[in-house]
Amino acid sequence: GDSVTQMEGPVTLSEEAFLTINCTYTATGYPSLFWYVQYPGEGLQLLLKATKADDKGSNKGFEATYRKETTSFHLEKGSVQVSDSAVYFCALSDLGRRDSSYKLIFGSGTRLLVRP
Amino acid sequence: GAVVSQHPSRVICKSGTSVKIECRSLDFQATTMFWYRQFPKQSLMLMATSNEGSKATYEQGVEKDKFLINHASLTLSTLTVTSAHPEDSSFYICSASSGYSNQPQHFGDGTRLSIL
Repeated sequence: GDSVTQMEGPVTLSEEAFLTINCTYTATGYPSLFWYVQYPGEGLQLLLKATKADDKGSNKGFEATYRKETTSFHLEKGSVQVSDSAVYFCALSDLGRRDSSYKLIFGSGTRLLVRP
Repeated sequence: GAVVSQHPSRVICKSGTSVKIECRSLDFQATTMFWYRQFPKQSLMLMATSNEGSKATYEQGVEKDKFLINHASLTLSTLTVTSAHPEDSSFYICSASSGYSNQPQHFGDGTRLSIL
């Protein structure tokens, strides 16, 4: 079945460092890919998405490119801030299905800690 | 962006109590709502998918008599944890989708349930 694999955390960086969180996926169809962020004690917020190969999703300085050849969707940010400290989840969904279930399959999450 | 409201944010109650959690889509019609459970420092586990006006579809291993889901309108779904016990303590998160192609799930802020 479909699956998502994320790099294990925690990832600890100093402020203004470059961030990469790796995400690879396995899917039989042509999924859409997402990054969600979860701040402590809160639900998930959609950070960015990409719906087809070579699409680049971007938001708040974060970006990720849908790479079909490597089945990857790595999250990057050029200069992290303390406020970026959170758990980041990579996810996929086959939104092309017509049955409207649109299940999300999540990776295990990667905790990011940014120190001042 | 789309807003999903989840209430209450925190519940503390005695063992044997039934607890109801509400999930509302505030600015769009949610044809499909999802209920997740999240254990500390772990990913989200999908419990069930509910479509407005029909019975929920539960994931394998989730007790449907224990976790009652109602999706009576396009803006409201409820999860009732019946006769809750300490092992039901967890973080429960709902999400909602309009069901249209390429539209992602939007998440509530979660409910932390603590059973004493």
